[in-house]
Amino acid sequence: ETGVTQTPRHLVMGMTNKKSLKCEQHLGHNAMYWYKQSAKKPLELMFVYSLEERVENNSVPSRFSPECPNSSHLFLHLHTLQPEDSALYLCASSLAPGQPTDTQYFGPGTRLTVL
Amino acid sequence: GQNIDQPTEMTATEGAIVQINCTYQTSGFNGLFWYQQPAGEAPTFLSYNVLDGLEEKGRFSSFLSRSKGYSYLLLKELQMKDSASYLCATMDSNYQLIWGAGTKLIIKP
Repeated sequence: ETGVTQTPRHLVMGMTNKKSLKCEQHLGHNAMYWYKQSAKKPLELMFVYSLEERVENNSVPSRFSPECPNSSHLFLHLHTLQPEDSALYLCASSLAPGQPTDTQYFGPGTRLTVL
Repeated sequence: GQNIDQPTEMTATEGAIVQINCTYQTSGFNGLFWYQQPAGEAPTFLSYNVLDGLEEKGRFSSFLSRSKGYSYLLLKELQMKDSASYLCATMDSNYQLIWGAGTKLIIKP
């Protein structure tokens, strides 16, 4: 039990669909992250929220839209995705962003397939 | 540029010892992390090194040499449950994690 949950665990969608991924952390952390994990590639940081303010957006296409309504919840809204967006989407949280010893704790991920 | 290198895949025998290497080149350095990710599961934190030397934690140890831009994760008395991907990541000067592609460790009986 990592304290970070994600739903759904698996998602198949067409390129014209709109869907949302949900992440919830029960650890009292102050920062939340979205990562994309493709096979045999490094984790790609997509978005970072610290105290509900977005602090990082690594040039992610606008078809991915994050939302952080409070420090415990994070969403990733998806629309008009492309097949190359198929990947594992991981959510993480951490207590003290900007500190050297800050450790990120991950959820189990959502396996997304875009047809 | 920033770069993390680690082997794509390694195979070892149950009960043996395996060393997974990681070399890095990053802009600034605020420590190195190792994570374990079993297939289909979340990455979980294993270790953090910021000073040179060996940190031991049960069957797992992690080593860092900042001058060489090098780290390794040492796993002793391997068990079948250790089959997983092992991710190396460094924290750069902006406190952002830079990740390697991971090493898939296969344990054979």
